Amino acid sequence: DAKTTQPDSMESTEGETVHLPCSHATISGNEYIYWYRQVPLQGPEYVTHGLQQNTTNSMAFLAIASDRKSSTLILPHVSLRDAAVYHCILRDNYGNEKITFGAGTKLTIKP
Amino acid sequence: EAAVTQSPRNKVTVTGGNVTLSCRQTNSHNYMYWYRQDTGHGLRLIHYSYGAGNLQIGDVPDGYKATRTTQEDFFLLLELASPSQTSLYFCASSVDRLSNERLFFGHGTKLSVL
Repeated sequence: DAKTTQPDSMESTEGETVHLPCSHATISGNEYIYWYRQVPLQGPEYVTHGLQQNTTNSMAFLAIASDRKSSTLILPHVSLRDAAVYHCILRDNYGNEKITFGAGTKLTIKP
Repeated sequence: EAAVTQSPRNKVTVTGGNVTLSCRQTNSHNYMYWYRQDTGHGLRLIHYSYGAGNLQIGDVPDGYKATRTTQEDFFLLLELASPSQTSLYFCASSVDRLSNERLFFGHGTKLSVL
């Protein structure tokens, strides 16, 4: 069973701020929320991760709901280079090394 | 930045053929993973390992063998390749299994089984 739910696709325009949602209603207390991005014919690339607090880095801002059942990856002022598939996954540290990726959200950016 | 190198980048074989996909990481990572990616399925875990000589079963292991010969090298073996194994294969590594350790992926191997 998928542990995260994301929309199949989203579209935006250059310069806009994009909000990519992810639902993880059954998340447990020891699970971190990770986001990766993937462009065609390349492996996924780490974007950010968090446990409970919102986080920010040079690539994105991660907003985590107070109940941790959902999160939103926020990409400010997107460019054509931000077009990719964005994967939201959960990872715990209780011996579960089976990290599962779903199909993710395909983000299309219009000029 | 951690580096994960896969070879070959592209491979074509025939049904029943023998194929070995190679993965090397030079960052002393303990964990290494093999995934396959097909349209509509995301990435599916085939096998993984937490050190030389160790092998763990993933979610879609049928038809695949794997071997971790050293800390750096992880191989995926298809001894009797079938068309259903036509896919894009990714190798990944991470320092440890802790939840705050991210994965580093290779660029992938595109395998076609005719």
